[in-house]
Amino acid sequence: GAGVSQSPSNKVTEKGKDVELRCDPISGHTALYWYRQSLGQGLEFLIYFQGNSAPDKSGLPSDRFSAERTGGSVSTLTIQRTQQEDSAVYLCASSPGTSGRNTQYFGPGTRLTVL
Amino acid sequence: AQSVSQHNHHVILSEAASLELGCNYSYGGTVNLFWYVQYPGQHLQLLLKYFSGDPLVKGIKGFEAEFIKSKFSFNLRKPSVQWSDTAEYFCALITGTASKLTFGTGTRLQVTL
Repeated sequence: GAGVSQSPSNKVTEKGKDVELRCDPISGHTALYWYRQSLGQGLEFLIYFQGNSAPDKSGLPSDRFSAERTGGSVSTLTIQRTQQEDSAVYLCASSPGTSGRNTQYFGPGTRLTVL
Repeated sequence: AQSVSQHNHHVILSEAASLELGCNYSYGGTVNLFWYVQYPGQHLQLLLKYFSGDPLVKGIKGFEAEFIKSKFSFNLRKPSVQWSDTAEYFCALITGTASKLTFGTGTRLQVTL
């Protein structure tokens, strides 16, 4: 079956611009996660959604970052007024639920470069 | 807060050599432990996971890991590596009733012919 998909695969933007990154989870997966992979910080959690519950935003690094999940499926991560330190690979993952025993399946990521 | 340490940042082995990658974590309560692998140009995928029961868990491609609670460790092993095992390996945990993964910094494994 289809895995997690993300778009775009690469995004180059200028400092100060806003960007939107999209994630399509595996069909039927109720939990959706965003992580960031950067040279300086490794892999770090950003936010997750579970069904209709309020998202856990505890990993978002600043208020320039926000995310939404429409209809319990597709999610968009928005970064406003991008900074050079936002350059990273943004990974999306989905799982059948939020139990710690569920496997999280990762997408290919979006490589963001802020000039 | 919980943390995961992977002390080997870059490991170079010849084909057929045995592999052990270290993973230690810092958390006093219940943990679920994972090893993920990222092959060149591919996305992260699960190698194996431990929740409870037998501390020796077997995963895909001949990998195994042993949970040693007293040492807060979850080392990854493979008796004989192949060139195709060249990849970056990440140890991760989920604590208690949480859902988010906390990752180690990763170990880059290079297998030479």
